[in-house]
Amino acid sequence: AQTVTQSQPEMSVQEAETVTLSCTYDTSESDYYLFWYKQPPSRQMILVIRQEAYKQQNATENRFSVNFQKAAKSFSLKISDSQLGDAAMYFCAYRSDTSGTYKYIFGTGTRLKVLA
Amino acid sequence: SAVISQKPSRDICQRGTSLTIQCQVDSQVTMMFWYRQQPGQSLTLIATANQGSEATYESGFVIDKFPISRPNLTFSTLTVSNMSPEDSSIYLCSVTRLAGGLMGEQFFGPGTRLTVL
Repeated sequence: AQTVTQSQPEMSVQEAETVTLSCTYDTSESDYYLFWYKQPPSRQMILVIRQEAYKQQNATENRFSVNFQKAAKSFSLKISDSQLGDAAMYFCAYRSDTSGTYKYIFGTGTRLKVLA
Repeated sequence: SAVISQKPSRDICQRGTSLTIQCQVDSQVTMMFWYRQQPGQSLTLIATANQGSEATYESGFVIDKFPISRPNLTFSTLTVSNMSPEDSSIYLCSVTRLAGGLMGEQFFGPGTRLTVL
């Protein structure tokens, strides 16, 4: 069975600085997707970025980028020029592309604090 | 993306009672899911709501406790039955389309915060 591990329960970053959130996963599949979701105190889960396993190029979305290391099964999220609005829980998620169920497996989350 | 609403947004209930949570999507979607998120925890999938047939439950969740309906492609309900304080949690609806842009990605509703006394 697939698992997703986020080893950092909480991280802090100074406004305008860069922070990296870690995520590792375990799977025997070759086709899958990885995601980072943000959940602010309002509770609404928001998709931040996604990565297809078959793509070697790391995904980027404005200030958000990932470092996808398929062999190491690592998928970290880098937030550049951190803003106060980035403060939230961040969840790493895995989705199989072979099971046909489209179910997600979530990590335990990392709470990001942004210091002014 | 999809616009998803949930009702109620929050509720406080007495033990032994039941609460039905509604999830409404602004457009047809292929799949709908129900998650539970206990305070400070990650999301745990309860079940996949199947249109016109019985939901598919994950290990540890049963239909008698969490009956689910999905009468059409834009609406689903989750009932939390015979509630106990351990059911206090946030319940989230999510949806996925299997065609078009962002295929297979899940979009989440705002959640329902349930407190059981």
